[in-house]
Amino acid sequence: DAKTTQPNSMESNEEEPVHLPCNHSTISGTDYIHWYRQLPSQGPEYVIHGLTSNVNNRMASLAIAEDRKSSTLILHRATLRDAAVYYCILSPRQGAQKLVFGQGTRLTINP
Amino acid sequence: NAGVTQTPKFRILKIGQSMTLQCAQDMNHNYMYWYRQDPGMGLKLIYYSVGAGITDKGEVPNGYNVSRSTTEDFPLRLELAAPSQTSVYFCASSWDITDTQYFGPGTRLTVL
Repeated sequence: DAKTTQPNSMESNEEEPVHLPCNHSTISGTDYIHWYRQLPSQGPEYVIHGLTSNVNNRMASLAIAEDRKSSTLILHRATLRDAAVYYCILSPRQGAQKLVFGQGTRLTINP
Repeated sequence: NAGVTQTPKFRILKIGQSMTLQCAQDMNHNYMYWYRQDPGMGLKLIYYSVGAGITDKGEVPNGYNVSRSTTEDFPLRLELAAPSQTSVYFCASSWDITDTQYFGPGTRLTVL
């Protein structure tokens, strides 16, 4: 399985944008890029996913590099509720959706 | 919709005991998954199912068994509990093969 690399932790201030990076230099042409987050004492929840083009939804935006070897999750205006561990995961387009979770990035939001 | 539900929320087992962790979903999802999460680590896939009657091993299946007799339920059985199985267990489901996974709230298991 292709691997991802994320910073262990990041810190930001409330109401400011947050850019969470992910490197995936061995990504294959058919891998989706998924982002999940895990709030304290909860199960993971889906944030966003994409294949080649940038994606937006009500929670966040996903910017994918042209060569697809890296991506950035963008939280446009962080709130205290966004404090969580964020996981960047690659998953093949075909076959069972076996998500391989790394250690993720622990995001701290300062009031 | 309740989504994905898991019972119990917490459990303490003695070494050698057995138990079943329950998982149910009311979204009519075909795919269901069991993960474990050790302290400070990411989740690891134990078993998954692509439909009723069909299950397959994930990354860490040893010491566990599963069954899928209905679309809604996907119980995880621990036989002969060991301290290494102390973990938080998450169940998840998805509509189809590449779809978003929805997670339950987890079961915190301690084996002493």
